[in-house]
Amino acid sequence: NAGVTQTPKFQVLKTGQSMTLQCAQDMNHNSMYWYRQDPGMGLRLIYYSASEGTTDKGEVPNGYNVSRLNKREFSLRLESAAPSQTSVYFCASSPGQLGYGYTFGSGTRLTVV
Amino acid sequence: GQQLNQSPQSMFIQEGEDVSMNCTSSSIFNTWLWYKQDPGEGPVLLIALYKAGELTSNGRLTAQFGITRKDSFLNISASIPSDVGIYFCAGPNSGYALNFGKGTSLLVTP
Repeated sequence: NAGVTQTPKFQVLKTGQSMTLQCAQDMNHNSMYWYRQDPGMGLRLIYYSASEGTTDKGEVPNGYNVSRLNKREFSLRLESAAPSQTSVYFCASSPGQLGYGYTFGSGTRLTVV
Repeated sequence: GQQLNQSPQSMFIQEGEDVSMNCTSSSIFNTWLWYKQDPGEGPVLLIALYKAGELTSNGRLTAQFGITRKDSFLNISASIPSDVGIYFCAGPNSGYALNFGKGTSLLVTP
């Protein structure tokens, strides 16, 4: 089992460019999440999808959009990248019961210049 | 959401030493989770706690769910170089997602 797969692993963008970060899970999990990790800030929730067909904003949604394409896939889109969006982005999934925790992907390291 | 405060922010220890870190919340939690993030990787779940006062071990790691339900503790005994990483505590945020602490960065020298 691959678990949670994120692509790409690394990306450099110019300010104003757009891109989509891809995430797929093969564990038949209901819920999926996008977090960003910045030094000294821990993991902050951008968007989440509690179940297929639903998406909701998290703590830091500005500048991002998401799509829950199907039960397996949850993508994160930056429409017009800004240097403040330089970060490491993690996708995670869970069965839907938070007590079991998440399974994380290995992250996408994004630099906006 | 509920704030989680982890301490210490970082630790620099020698191999063989024991390590203690903790996490406190402004609100009561029903579940505490501890994750470890290896350099360049995503966090991995180490221990889950579901009951106040619960003490759970995973090898050299022991975690406790505080009796006030507002704190949790993680201990690592006889540290080894592969313990290096960032340790996060986490708890459910209003039922829809996990809140994470800012992490404790652990460095172990041989």
